[in-house]
Amino acid sequence: KAGVTQTPRYLIKTRGQQVTLSCSPISGHRSVSWYQQTPGQGLQFLFEYFSETQRNKGNFPGRFSGRQFSNSRSEMNVSTLELGDSALYLCASSLGGTDGYTFGSGTRLTVV
Amino acid sequence: GQNIDQPTEMTATEGAIVQINCTYQTSGFNGLFWYQQHAGEAPTFLSYNVLDGLEEKGRFSSFLSRSKGYSYLLLKELQMKDSASYLCAALPYNQGGKLIFGQGTELSVKP
Repeated sequence: KAGVTQTPRYLIKTRGQQVTLSCSPISGHRSVSWYQQTPGQGLQFLFEYFSETQRNKGNFPGRFSGRQFSNSRSEMNVSTLELGDSALYLCASSLGGTDGYTFGSGTRLTVV
Repeated sequence: GQNIDQPTEMTATEGAIVQINCTYQTSGFNGLFWYQQHAGEAPTFLSYNVLDGLEEKGRFSSFLSRSKGYSYLLLKELQMKDSASYLCAALPYNQGGKLIFGQGTELSVKP
């Protein structure tokens, strides 16, 4: 079966711009989580959506937002980009609860 | 609070056994995950421990002791392709989807 698909794979943006990243979960998975991965901080939780509702949010500024659609696909948006937002953004999908989490290959965002 | 600690780097020899430790301080969690991540790729699931004890899966085994706040990943018969980052992650109670990750252990397997 198809895995978790993230688009685009690579993105270069300028400071002050905004960006939207997309994540299509494994078919049947209703939970989508987003993480930011940087060499200094490791994997940091951004937020999680389940059945179109945000269930959990990490300690990131309000510039980071997300949503989930009725088909479970999710998007995250970062507004007013800063250089420090350069990172690998990963999403993970699961059935929910304590089931395993399958990660996508990520979107590498570079802010210049 | 929640904190997960792992060694930053480890080196081992092809064919050998290596143990990657993970210690944690969390107020309560459902279980502990181990993921493998090759450079530039997605983390891939290795194991999930809920109960104390050893879970064996081929060349990889994972151990959990809740009373000691301790887990380890054991890799046997190391192969060059095992060179990767190994991530320990806890799933806190009532925090669906919110995995708390350690910084990861970069394992280098030498011939």
